[in-house]
Amino acid sequence: GQSLEQPSEVTAVEGAIVQINCTYQTSGFYGLSWYQQHDGGAPTFLSYNALDGLEETGRFSSFLSRSDSYGYLLLQELQMKDSASYFCATEAAGNKLTFGGGTRVLVKP
Amino acid sequence: DTAVSQTPKYLVTQMGNDKSIKCEQNLGHDTMYWYKQDSKKFLKIMFSYNNKELIINETVPNRFSPKSPDKAHLNLHINSLELGDSAVYFCASSQLRLAGVGEQYFGPGTRLTVT
Repeated sequence: GQSLEQPSEVTAVEGAIVQINCTYQTSGFYGLSWYQQHDGGAPTFLSYNALDGLEETGRFSSFLSRSDSYGYLLLQELQMKDSASYFCATEAAGNKLTFGGGTRVLVKP
Repeated sequence: DTAVSQTPKYLVTQMGNDKSIKCEQNLGHDTMYWYKQDSKKFLKIMFSYNNKELIINETVPNRFSPKSPDKAHLNLHINSLELGDSAVYFCASSQLRLAGVGEQYFGPGTRLTVT
């Protein structure tokens, strides 16, 4: 089966750095994705790690350790518009995504 | 230039009715998906089709029947609607890659409310 664990909520101030951890148990693991979803909106893709290491995309970075079944999303220089839910998702055969429960990030002025 | 579109955006109906949700993508992708997001925001895959062929069929009641007339369209028909079917249904698409791709494009969602 597949299961993912991530914190339910994180609060930080503008300009701060937030790290959202994700641990997973999955069979047939291909990679770990991260998605952002604003209230009332659709999930939008942020990043994907198939190999161990850090992937950087602007203010957002994602890390994967396959041996530890662990990854994280790093949000830097937080802005008010970053207030949203963030989901990690494991990918398996057939490009099947299994999502974690989501982490609600609240950015305060 | 909408990439993945769904209709309707909102759907309010009574228990026992039958309803359909339509999805279209203009990205040229060969794989499309249906997801259900419940009130706690838990997002779970229901089905996926690759070139009109069903490749993922999760444990979903058989009241839910997907149909893919071509690779750009994936519709979801729901029979005998129940209160527990109330959720937001998202359609998504991607290009199937054997080595994994991680990125799927989601439609705006259809909020289904069963009363």
